[in-house]
Amino acid sequence: DTEVTQTPKHLVMGMTNKKSLKCEQHMGHRAMYWYKQKAKKPPELMFVYSYEKLSINESVPSRFSPECPNSSLLNLHLHALQPEDSALYLCASSQEGTGRTDTQYFGPGTRLTVL
Amino acid sequence: AQKVTQAQTEISVVEKEDVTLDCVYETRDTTYYLFWYKQPPSGELVFLIRRNSFDEQNEISGRYSWNFQKSTSSFNFTITASQVVDSAVYFCAQGATGFQKLVFGTGTRLLVSP
Repeated sequence: DTEVTQTPKHLVMGMTNKKSLKCEQHMGHRAMYWYKQKAKKPPELMFVYSYEKLSINESVPSRFSPECPNSSLLNLHLHALQPEDSALYLCASSQEGTGRTDTQYFGPGTRLTVL
Repeated sequence: AQKVTQAQTEISVVEKEDVTLDCVYETRDTTYYLFWYKQPPSGELVFLIRRNSFDEQNEISGRYSWNFQKSTSSFNFTITASQVVDSAVYFCAQGATGFQKLVFGTGTRLLVSP
């Protein structure tokens, strides 16, 4: 079973709202990722958690705040976003954490629109 | 630095045609991994294949096949007898050994018409 789930599927928010994206995997994977994908572009890595600790932050603005409550869950808290943050947000997981290049399995994504 | 080039932006074929998607990579690493992902209109990236740099054997999985050639730094993907359900954006990606960050190509959009 290589399933990563994400909620919600679609989200529309105003620039003053606070919202959260959720990601869950039950494959026992120890690394989880957030990606941002704009239309007609490849995914861009935002954050990586390895063994529940933040291991990579690709210089993402502080209006995006990741959280890994446990090894199966990954959240992305959103606050004071800009219209240019509208994109598809993808979550992924891989078997091992730091020091490995394991296959990343992706969720279906959350399509975010910021008004 | 790593780089992945997918020169074909969009390919249109008619059902049952064979189609090859090109992927050329650049790296100074001696060990690395290459991946192909499929992204249908629904948005999810579906993993197709992972290859390490020591394994140059070609791979076949049903109608899909992959040709890995280190001499030309290419990892091409062929779909035999294409079907409408193959319509998607296909991404080639590279990962350096020991690192979690993948470098993606810009993707090739494949349109298969009936």
